Amino acid sequence: QSVLTQPPSASGTPGQRVTISCSGSGSNIGSNTVNWYHQLPGAAPKLLIYGSSQRPSGVPDRFSGSKSGTSASLAISGLQSEDEADYYCAAWDDSLDGWVFGGGTKLTVL
Amino acid sequence: EVQLVESGGGLVQPGGSLRLSCAASGFTFSSYWMHWVRQAPGKGLVWVSRIHGDGSSTNYADSVQGRFTISRDNAKNTLYLQMNSLRAEDTAVYYCARSYYYDSGSYAFDIWGQGTMVTVSS
Repeated sequence: QSVLTQPPSASGTPGQRVTISCSGSGSNIGSNTVNWYHQLPGAAPKLLIYGSSQRPSGVPDRFSGSKSGTSASLAISGLQSEDEADYYCAAWDDSLDGWVFGGGTKLTVL
Repeated sequence: EVQLVESGGGLVQPGGSLRLSCAASGFTFSSYWMHWVRQAPGKGLVWVSRIHGDGSSTNYADSVQGRFTISRDNAKNTLYLQMNSLRAEDTAVYYCARSYYYDSGSYAFDIWGQGTMVTVSS
């Protein structure tokens, strides 16, 4: 059971906008920023969003992140087939003194 | 090129030990917190441990506390994970990752290795 809660799956058609939620508590998302990673099958994870809403250089502006209270969201607009991957949220947890991840959301592009 | 390359994975019996290595290149290794993150087959990412750039501070997930030891050799630009008393539930791909501090005041794992597989089985 992951400390952060994500839906196990999400889907959309090409061009659509999809959002993935991430729910936590006061000791993690409520107190710290959220990062998002995506992972293609058989590959290492890659950073998608840091600081809850910032994109590293090279990440398309189709990807956006937000945070409110103890929840965060990742939005992907203009969905493309190459966006099909697993997506993970992560945050530092002040009570556990460590990083916690969500269980991951498998995004399918129909 | 900024790169992390893990090695040392393999098959080990329950109760056994294994040491993983992560060779860093392309950046000033000693300036960064480094982490180990694992992923059991078909499962999600789980943070394992971290170590400060100068090795002075470490943290562990409860599931590995007392069994795993993280360390680093900044002269060799190498991160290690000594894993003792291994259990079947430690079976996973182990990734090393760099923690980057952004101007916004946030840390994130910006560079990941390709991972090394550890299988604990008799």
